[in-house]
Amino acid sequence: DGGITQSPKYLFRKEGQNVTLSCEQNLNHDAMYWYRQDPGQGLRLIYYSQIVNDFQKGDIAEGYSVSREKKESFPLTVTSAQKNPTAFYLCASGPGTEQFFGPGTRLTVL
Amino acid sequence: AQKVTQAQTEISVVEKEDVTLDCVYETRDTTYYLFWYKQPPSGELVFLIRRNSFDEQNEISGRYSWNFQKSTSSFNFTITASQVVDSAVYFCALRGAFSAGKSTFGDGTTLTVKP
Repeated sequence: DGGITQSPKYLFRKEGQNVTLSCEQNLNHDAMYWYRQDPGQGLRLIYYSQIVNDFQKGDIAEGYSVSREKKESFPLTVTSAQKNPTAFYLCASGPGTEQFFGPGTRLTVL
Repeated sequence: AQKVTQAQTEISVVEKEDVTLDCVYETRDTTYYLFWYKQPPSGELVFLIRRNSFDEQNEISGRYSWNFQKSTSSFNFTITASQVVDSAVYFCALRGAFSAGKSTFGDGTTLTVKP
């Protein structure tokens, strides 16, 4: 089936640890995105990539890093520098104007 | 800067009632796109509609309809004869035509449809 997969669905991390969230798509989309969602709020853009080996910071990139070595994959690393990482993380991809979202990863810092 | 305002934080209706979700936006772009997404309890965002700024024709899809008024910078969403399965958080989003994919989302409206 075509779509966007994110893993894991739930992730727990101790303070001070880096953690990597996976995002894979088999829709042949050039563009991929990472958003963060906090309770009662909309989505905020962390990073986006329009093409392999290229990515740009979004509105809240501090404490996060990404890579785009393959068209299908856009992993997000939440580093220890992110002061408040507990949130719901959504990955998206799109051919142009539309964005299609994955099921999300809920990260909790213990 | 772009901004999307969904003034209704929560709405509760009884099944079969009609309900309208408001969305007001701000942008300096002359060409832009507006979106509505549905987020059920599972968390995944479901794309509902895209509207181009140069197309003010309203759209109807089954029980869903959208009213785009450029003069008031609004893009409202109406559900007719609501059902319990419509219960979700609904997001309105805005994207400039040349913004390299960067979308601005509203804070969402939580719709609860009671049986």
